[in-house]
Amino acid sequence: AQSVTQLGSHVSVSEGALVLLRCNYSSSVPPYLFWYVQYPNQGLQLLLKYTSAATLVKGINGFEAEFKKSETSFHLTKPSAHMSDAAEYFCAVSDQSNTGNQFYFGTGTSLTVIP
Amino acid sequence: DGGITQSPKYLFRKEGQNVTLSCEQNLNHDAMYWYRQDPGQGLRLIYYSQIVNDFQKGDIAEGYSVSREKKESFPLTVTSAQKNPTAFYLCASSLGFNSPLHFGNGTRLTVT
Repeated sequence: AQSVTQLGSHVSVSEGALVLLRCNYSSSVPPYLFWYVQYPNQGLQLLLKYTSAATLVKGINGFEAEFKKSETSFHLTKPSAHMSDAAEYFCAVSDQSNTGNQFYFGTGTSLTVIP
Repeated sequence: DGGITQSPKYLFRKEGQNVTLSCEQNLNHDAMYWYRQDPGQGLRLIYYSQIVNDFQKGDIAEGYSVSREKKESFPLTVTSAQKNPTAFYLCASSLGFNSPLHFGNGTRLTVT
């Protein structure tokens, strides 16, 4: 089975500063990777996805992520944090098995933006 | 607009009662999923279904049951056998292989 590790359950940045949220995956085959954002008491919203077309993936709200196979990483970045970026962020990997497509999530990183 | 509807948003039940959470999608997705979310534990898979009338247990299926009689609907029943049912429950769907998950807005279940 696949697994995802998100380093840092809580990250705080100042408004306007760089946002860096870390994600490492374990996969024996080229993975399909995703970043989701969750606001309080809501479902998850897709930020971006990696499907092997390009290593640098641009998503919504100014976020992007870079796939690095050698480091098995898919870190999420944003050049300048905004107050509205405060939320929970989840990294996920998908895996195809004979019983269907499964998704494995990290435990999440809570982002706080300090004014 | 296409999407996933979970109802109700908040649900309160007494211990020992079964309760059913609704999930409906109009995205024409084949696959549907139920996740449980607890603080600090991320999302844990309860059940998933790739096609109508077929479903598979996830990592924490004990105390839960599902049905998939229609493509659009994937209700989850939390039975009295579930030891710790209080949680945030998320339903999701996907178009297929390596397509992303689309989530509903969740149901917060409180059992006292």
